[in-house]
This record gives sequence, C-alpha cells and structure tokens, in this order.
Amino acid sequence: KNQVEQSPQSLIILEGKNCTLQCNYTVSPFSNLRWYKQDTGRGPVSLTIMTFSENTKSNGRYTATLDADTKQSSLHITASQLSDSASYICVVRRVYYGGSQGNLIFGKGTKLSVKP
Amino acid sequence: GAVVSQHPSRVICKSGTSVKIECRSLDFQATTMFWYRQFPKQSLMLMATSNEGSKATYEQGVEKDKFLINHASLTLSTLTVTSAHPEDSSFYICSAWDRGQDNEKLFFGSGTQLSVL
Repeated sequence: KNQVEQSPQSLIILEGKNCTLQCNYTVSPFSNLRWYKQDTGRGPVSLTIMTFSENTKSNGRYTATLDADTKQSSLHITASQLSDSASYICVVRRVYYGGSQGNLIFGKGTKLSVKP
Repeated sequence: GAVVSQHPSRVICKSGTSVKIECRSLDFQATTMFWYRQFPKQSLMLMATSNEGSKATYEQGVEKDKFLINHASLTLSTLTVTSAHPEDSSFYICSAWDRGQDNEKLFFGSGTQLSVL
C-alpha cells in the first residue's frame, strides 16, 4: 500500500534551536519527494523537491535529505524562527503515466511550534 | 514565480445555498488543476482532478452532483458546492501543475475556509 508516514505528529521548540522532521514512505514506483510548509489557514508552499538521485537539497535554513534505499527523508530546520511555526507536509509522487496528478501521496504533516 | 490565486479566502453561508470557489493560475497555463479538502489537523484529501475542456475526474466517495467542477479555460477552474450543509464546512484548496519549470512544480492556492451555518 502506498503510504507516507511523518513523525513526530507535533513538535515544540525554542526559537533559535534546530529540529529535524521525519518522513518514511512505501510509495512505489517512486518519482520524487516534496516537502511543503503550510501555515494555518493557508495553502501549502513548496520547500524542496527531490528525485531519486538526490541525497540532499537546501532552501535557506531548510535542508532536506533523501535515502531512496531505506525510503526515508528528513527536513532539517536550522536556527528556527517564530515564523517557522507551521505544518510541514511530506508528499511523495508515484510514477504514473495517466496524465493527471501523478499519484501524489500526502503525509499527515508535522505541526511545528516555535516558542520565544 | 508561478502563482495560483484562489478566491474567496473565507465564506460563510446558510445551509442550502450554493458556493462557488475560483482557482486561477496567474502566469502559467494549467490544463490540469486539482481540488482538495482538508479537515482540521488532517492531511489534504484529493477530491477531484479538473481537466480543461473536459469532465472532471472525481475520487472515490466524492459526489459529482454535490461538488461541481468547471475548467473552462487554461487558467481558471471553479468548484461549486451545491446545496451546502454544515457537514460540507471545511478548508478547500486548489493546486495546479506548472510544467514549464524543472521538476513539474505543483503550486497551491491559498485555500478557502467554508463555514455552513
């Protein structure tokens, strides 16, 4: 079954600290993995997109890693800021040739709260 | 960068009325757009795939007559919640592929919070 599991479900950290969010998936065949940030009451915004051959990709203070062998990804946030408080969603795309969404499988997200 | 505009951001309506939500791709053409529903603390759930010039493809369990989708142009898709009831209250989000860039980026609208009284 194609699934995306994220952990932890929620996380509280102090401003300035680092944190790492996890994403494990069983999606096959794998196309790419995406991390999105979703502020409360807003649509998701893309942070990174990683294909099979990419092990790491950074976007400012966000660094995503991908281990396609173990089917695990992580999102590391350095020097957290109050504005980082949001839900972080891991999305895995399955190879699909039907011309539609391409079978995007969404994780339930990790809700991050950054406290002053 | 590519932007998907969604309106309205919030709507409150009486039970039995119909509500239309618009989703526009502002600087790219989107032959395919997607509509999602999200309940509090839950992940996005795909409702339907909107195809320009043809009928939408609905996910299993989504009522076609309840959630009418129209994709009349390459930049606009609309979702109409017909005869809305309190159980239809939810956060609705659209998205669209921008295939003109690397990795076929998927852009999301800002969402519409629907509250049915």
